[in-house]
Amino acid sequence: DTAVSQTPKYLVTQMGNDKSIKCEQNLGHDTMYWYKQDSKKFLKIMFSYNNKELIINETVPNRFSPKSPDKAHLNLHINSLELGDSAVYFCASSPTDVLNEKLFFGSGTQLSVL
Amino acid sequence: GENVEQHPSTLSVQEGDSAVIKCTYSDSASNYFPWYKQELGKRPQLIIDIRSNVGEKKDQRIAVTLNKTAKHFSLHITETQPEDSAVYFCAGSSGGYNKLIFGAGTRLAVHP
Repeated sequence: DTAVSQTPKYLVTQMGNDKSIKCEQNLGHDTMYWYKQDSKKFLKIMFSYNNKELIINETVPNRFSPKSPDKAHLNLHINSLELGDSAVYFCASSPTDVLNEKLFFGSGTQLSVL
Repeated sequence: GENVEQHPSTLSVQEGDSAVIKCTYSDSASNYFPWYKQELGKRPQLIIDIRSNVGEKKDQRIAVTLNKTAKHFSLHITETQPEDSAVYFCAGSSGGYNKLIFGAGTRLAVHP
């Protein structure tokens, strides 16, 4: 019944590897997001998709590539992982026509790059 | 770039007291200001939001006030309870896509 679900919950990997995080929402929302929360708890938007179309790309390195196969899914693929990529990544979705309002967050994926 | 500053970074209160968290924003075009609560190890959850055409909004023990002229807004929690303990984030919208700029968070501890 989880509204916004993302997998995996924990991801531990070596530098240089490629990894993916998956996100799905069953709320019928048109807009989905990826946020990054660093070790100091600072939340920052990475990407926003509206109906499978990229709306916001917030100066994220091109090693990060989001993919939205349909409006209920927004996956995040990361190439050549670096130590600085270690963070909690939150997927989110929102119900309104106005972007970034009333966000519903997933439970987060804690990525640790060793 | 656009910025949202949040104070204090930590706040400790006794159960039953009130707690106030303040945020200031730099983008005068900002028109949407949500507050999110994040319990330890959990996801952020929206607790209240306010638009720039409203000066105050209340939902039970939680209220938010907005001063557009001064570009600051505040979260007020009355009759605090231990379950209010969490990190609270303010945010302001910015830019054509209504991007949210988050504050750095306030860790609130409510002691029984």
